[in-house]
Amino acid sequence: QLQLQESGPGLVKPSETLSLTCTVSGGSISSSSYYWGWIRQPPGKGLEWIGSIYYTGSTYYNPSLKSRVTISEDTSKNQFSLKLSSVTAADTAVYYCARSKGRYCTNGVCYFDYWGQGTLVTVSS
Amino acid sequence: EIVLTQSPATLSLSPGERATLSCRASQSVSSYLAWYQQKPGQAPRLLIYDASNRATGIPARFSGSGSGTDFTLTISSLEPEDFAVYYCQQRSDSLTFGGGTKVEIK
Repeated sequence: QLQLQESGPGLVKPSETLSLTCTVSGGSISSSSYYWGWIRQPPGKGLEWIGSIYYTGSTYYNPSLKSRVTISEDTSKNQFSLKLSSVTAADTAVYYCARSKGRYCTNGVCYFDYWGQGTLVTVSS
Repeated sequence: EIVLTQSPATLSLSPGERATLSCRASQSVSSYLAWYQQKPGQAPRLLIYDASNRATGIPARFSGSGSGTDFTLTISSLEPEDFAVYYCQQRSDSLTFGGGTKVEIK
C-alpha cells in the first residue's frame, strides 16, 4: 500500500526558507511510471499546485511560484523535497505531497491519485 | 493562467438526491479536467480524470462530462459520505484548480 508522509518544521519565520520532505513507502520514486508533486491549501481556501518532479530529476513548477521554489529528490532515501524561499504570511498553508501516474500527465503536469495527509506550515515571527 | 470557476459555491441537498456541479474554464482545456472530493481534515481524493473517466475504486454514482470550457460532475444519488467539497483541476496549460463547491446536507 503506497503511503506518502510529509515532514518538516511547522513554523517558519518571514523571509526564511520553508523546507519539507515527503517520504514514500510502498512504492519507489525511481519508477519511470510516476511523477511526484507538491500542492498547498491555505486554511479555509482552495488548492494550489506548487510543482512536480520526475525520477529523471526533471522539475515542473507553477509559474507564479517558480522564482522561489526548488523541488529535489533523494532516491537513496525514497524521498523528495520542497524548498520555498522568502516566505511571507501568504505562504501559510497545509502542504501536501502527492503522486501521479505517468498516464495522468502531460509535460510534467498531472492529476494526482495518491496524497499524503498534509502538514500545516505557519509563517510567523 | 486558465481560471476555473465552479458553481454553485454551495449546494444544499438531501441524501438520495441528484447533485450537479459545474466547472467552467476561462479558455478551452480540451478534456484535460479532473474532479476531486475533499472531506474536512483529509487530503483530496481523485474521482474523475480526463473529464469523464472514473478513477480506481470510485463508485458508479459519480460521473463526469464535458469538454472545452464547460464541465459537469454528477452524483446520481447522494450517499451520506458524499457530503464534502469538490474541486475541479485542469492540466491543459500548467495546472490550476477551481475554487470548490461545497455539497452540504439540507
